[in-house]
Amino acid sequence: DAKTTQPNSMESNEEEPVHLPCNHSTISGTDYIHWYRQLPSQGPEYVIHGLTSNVNNRMASLAIAEDRKSSTLILHRATLRDAAVYYCILRGDTGGFKTIFGAGTRLFVKA
Amino acid sequence: GAVVSQHPSWVICKSGTSVKIECRSLDFQATTMFWYRQFPKQSLMLMATSNEGSKATYEQGVEKDKFLINHASLTLSTLTVTSAHPEDSSFYICSARAGGRFGANQPQHFGDGTRLSIL
Repeated sequence: DAKTTQPNSMESNEEEPVHLPCNHSTISGTDYIHWYRQLPSQGPEYVIHGLTSNVNNRMASLAIAEDRKSSTLILHRATLRDAAVYYCILRGDTGGFKTIFGAGTRLFVKA
Repeated sequence: GAVVSQHPSWVICKSGTSVKIECRSLDFQATTMFWYRQFPKQSLMLMATSNEGSKATYEQGVEKDKFLINHASLTLSTLTVTSAHPEDSSFYICSARAGGRFGANQPQHFGDGTRLSIL
């Protein structure tokens, strides 16, 4: 399976932007980069995904490096509700099109 | 947005009981559904993948006779934990996506999970 590497945890202040990095140096050309987050005691929630170009939606932005070996999830203004575990996942033919979760990054947001 | 409904939210039952968990996609046709389990302070572990009308594909180490999966329609999948024992206690989460068997470009949507406690 194509692997991703994320920091174990990050901290942010409320109302400030947050940049969550993800390294995926073994990504293949057909792998999509997906981000999900999981709040305590809930199932994961889809955040955003992309292939090559940067993507924006109402929740976040996804910046993908030109060589696709890394990406960054950007939360433009962190709120306390954004405190969660964020998972960066590759989905494509190298992983059997399955969504396999790593350890993710636990984001702490300070008021 | 897309919604996946999972029921029940939590179950407490005696050892030896079989427990059925339902997963429904409410506003889209879920070609593929997934079942995960999650232990405290750990990440999600994929148990099996099912495509509508086909037998589920189980991940290595997951007993297919223990965890029965049925995906009879494009909106419903069920997971039955047969003869449950305390070690089966966990947080079970279903997930669904549209877009065909491969669907790398499709978001995956998750239920809110079922907390199973076996006494």
